[in-house]
Amino acid sequence: DAKTTQPPSMDCAEGRAANLPCNHSTISGNEYVYWYRQIHSQGPQYIIHGLKNNETNEMASLIITEDRKSSTLILPHATLRDTAVYYCIVRVASNYGQNFVFGPGTRLSVLP
Amino acid sequence: NAGVMQNPRHLVRRRGQEARLRCSPMKGHSHVYWYRQLPEEGLKFMVYLQKENIIDESGMPKERFSAEFPKEGPSILRIQQVVRGDSAAYFCASSPLRPSGRTTRQETQYFGPGTRLLVL
Repeated sequence: DAKTTQPPSMDCAEGRAANLPCNHSTISGNEYVYWYRQIHSQGPQYIIHGLKNNETNEMASLIITEDRKSSTLILPHATLRDTAVYYCIVRVASNYGQNFVFGPGTRLSVLP
Repeated sequence: NAGVMQNPRHLVRRRGQEARLRCSPMKGHSHVYWYRQLPEEGLKFMVYLQKENIIDESGMPKERFSAEFPKEGPSILRIQQVVRGDSAAYFCASSPLRPSGRTTRQETQYFGPGTRLLVL
């Protein structure tokens, strides 16, 4: 799976949008971009995933650049409960299940 | 629909004892993954199982660790003769059965709350 690069930490003011970047310059055409987060040692929580089109759900939006070499996770109105480590993972589609490779992620701190 | 369940949530063992960690996947899910997270580190894949089969155990230590997912009942991660270095959070994830006839698709993994193992 392609390697991802994320900033180790970010701050965001409560109520503002949190934009978390991820570089995946070696991504292949059949690799998806996934985002998970882990709140204070709980189990990782699925947020969103996409291939090449932008995606939105009730939690977040995922913006993928046209060349697919980078993406941004957007939390539109960050709350204190969004403080967590956010993981960007690229993963190939497969007939078989495949494990996720978690990097160090970005530690997002939402400040009051 | 209950999520992935793991028990116990906390487990304390003395060096040399055995640890058994259980994972019940989400209803309708037949793929189970085990991950380990050492303190202040990211999650590391250990093993991937389907019902009664180990599909990928490339992340599993060669000795003392084993995993199973029987036809009935939860998946079990077993650690024999635990050592202090086994102290970690162990997370289980599950994903649904891939429909027959489908070729490639993405299967999101849903994680349980984890078991914190402390070896004294």
